[in-house]
Amino acid sequence: AQKVTQAQTEISVVEKEDVTLDCVYETRDTTYYLFWYKQPPSGELVFLIRRNSFDEQNEISGRYSWNFQKSTSSFNFTITASQVVDSAVYFCALSEYNQGGKLIFGQGTELSVKP
Amino acid sequence: DSGVTQTPKHLITATGQRVTLRCSPRSGDLSVYWYQQSLDQGLQFLIQYYNGEERAKGNILERFSAQQFPDLHSELNLSSLELGDSALYFCASSVGLAGGHEQFFGPGTRLTVL
Repeated sequence: AQKVTQAQTEISVVEKEDVTLDCVYETRDTTYYLFWYKQPPSGELVFLIRRNSFDEQNEISGRYSWNFQKSTSSFNFTITASQVVDSAVYFCALSEYNQGGKLIFGQGTELSVKP
Repeated sequence: DSGVTQTPKHLITATGQRVTLRCSPRSGDLSVYWYQQSLDQGLQFLIQYYNGEERAKGNILERFSAQQFPDLHSELNLSSLELGDSALYFCASSVGLAGGHEQFFGPGTRLTVL
């Protein structure tokens, strides 16, 4: 069965702190894709990153970095030197190659960055 | 701006009524997806269309139906509305059919059923 678990419901940090958002997934497929989306207070869903199951290289984009570990079925997201504008709900999602592209979302982690 | 448009932005209606939500995908995208976001269920996949054909179904109620038209825009019809149908409904589009394509989300339609 496909499942995505984001165990952290809410995280609160002070500006400039580093923060890691956890994501654990379950799938029986060997070909799958993992995503992170950001939902700011305005409500839209903004794509952040996509990773396929054959690429375990970590990725860094500015203050954002992602750590994909198949051995632990995890795809964690780290924000370095957090800023107030990072305050949002972050969703991890899974799609399986043969399932038509539907995204299975985790419950989301609400990140609050205080000045 | 993702390039995906949804109308209306807000909809307030009464129980038992029927509403239609509309989505225009990004130019060139053939797949359209509908998702429902509610406090108790989170973000849930409802249905996918690809080039006019239904391709995948999720936890979509029988009271709900959708279609994708030849110009690729899509409509989600919700009927016999209940209080529990109040939610944010997102449309997303992607270029391909299979998993792995980035999905671009519209701004959502917030449905309130009174």
